[in-house]
Amino acid sequence: QLQLQESGPGLVKPSETLSLTCSVSGGSIGGTPYFWGWVRQPPGKGLEWIGSIYSSGSPYHYSPSLKSRVTISVDTSKNQFSLRLSSMTAADTAVYYCLREKTGDYWGQGTLVTVSS
Amino acid sequence: QTVVTQEPSLTVSPGGTVTLTCASSTGVVTSDYYPIWFQQKPGQVPRALIYDTSNKHSWTPARFSGSLLGGKAALTLSGVQPEDEAEYYCLLQYGDARFFGGGTRLTVL
Repeated sequence: QLQLQESGPGLVKPSETLSLTCSVSGGSIGGTPYFWGWVRQPPGKGLEWIGSIYSSGSPYHYSPSLKSRVTISVDTSKNQFSLRLSSMTAADTAVYYCLREKTGDYWGQGTLVTVSS
Repeated sequence: QTVVTQEPSLTVSPGGTVTLTCASSTGVVTSDYYPIWFQQKPGQVPRALIYDTSNKHSWTPARFSGSLLGGKAALTLSGVQPEDEAEYYCLLQYGDARFFGGGTRLTVL
């Protein structure tokens, strides 16, 4: 049974860069025909797709509205993929989820990231 | 800017049937948008019910079905149960990008 787990800081200061990692257990990222993605959900609001990356590292896709600030990478040796989001503001406060994208079947539990000084 | 539109809220009686839709600002939704439907209950992680328009996961109750209807992606619940009360989101794929709909709050009353 595949399991995904997000890790990273729960508090980020404005203008800083958020770094989150999604660790995958119970199966391998590498060599699989899947995109691995990130989604966020501001408190009390809907889901927003951030971006995703193929298991080999390419191709990768980013939300047009976040494209200038987002980097997603994959490390198959560690069975992890990561999200970096720069120039954080209060509007980026949200629960951040990682997921296996193709069929949406596996999600992490989510991690709340608050942007505040 | 691509916008995916869902009904903000719907109400259905227990045992009834309801259809939620997912429209694209770019035009007709086809199977090439690979629609996925998610259910999210308060405090829980979203759970995929339908993928690639109409395919069900092993955990998807039989009363849920996905289709294309009138140029939109659709999720139909037949024989609604009280536990189906939740927020439902669709996700559409546009080549390099994906967009969620705003969600439909389904009330079972």
